[in-house]
Amino acid sequence: DQQVKQNSPSLSVQEGRISILNCDYTNSMFDYFLWYKKYPAEGPTFLISISSIKDKNEDGRFTVFLNKSAKHLSLHIVPSQPGDSAVYFCAASGGIIQGAQKLVFGQGTRLTINP
Amino acid sequence: DTAVSQTPKYLVTQMGNDKSIKCEQNLGHDTMYWYKQDSKKFLKIMFSYNNKELIINETVPNRFSPKSPDKAHLNLHINSLELGDSAVYFCASSQGPTDTQYFGPGTRLTVL
Repeated sequence: DQQVKQNSPSLSVQEGRISILNCDYTNSMFDYFLWYKKYPAEGPTFLISISSIKDKNEDGRFTVFLNKSAKHLSLHIVPSQPGDSAVYFCAASGGIIQGAQKLVFGQGTRLTINP
Repeated sequence: DTAVSQTPKYLVTQMGNDKSIKCEQNLGHDTMYWYKQDSKKFLKIMFSYNNKELIINETVPNRFSPKSPDKAHLNLHINSLELGDSAVYFCASSQGPTDTQYFGPGTRLTVL
């Protein structure tokens, strides 16, 4: 029962173009969403987040869009740079449970930026 | 300075053995976590401690036992290792239970 899914295991984009990574979720109780970036042999690092009260959040080259009715979010990277090549994980949280925020992760999308 | 560190980085062992993975954070955070990344690449929460108190305990076999000697450390002990325990285990920490989580580099456990 995977509540967060990233259906594209990999994505290849030319440098300078836009990268769009997608994520779908099934649990309507999720109210906070995050994207993490992971380089080989390193742990995931936080990239950007969005609350369910918003439909867009922007941070520099990174923008996350949330479509609650479709239970879908996407991460846009523009312009894409070679250093963006990494695995991107989508994660969701359904609020505070037992005093903690439990994150549910997708399986990741490997983004490759080609020169 | 590594913020969240894990030892060892790689661990290869035989079925039935008992092993431990150590995690330390120097961020002064109060909350620590253990995640398992399985063969399908999903990262799944196993445990979370806040101020040395267990706050999340997912449905994992009781062969897995976390131990938090102090706020900066959360170790994972695994008894009677099985083939299915082979995975990458990530430790993470956050200032509080609802704050951004910072991950360690992971420990790749291979059970033969």
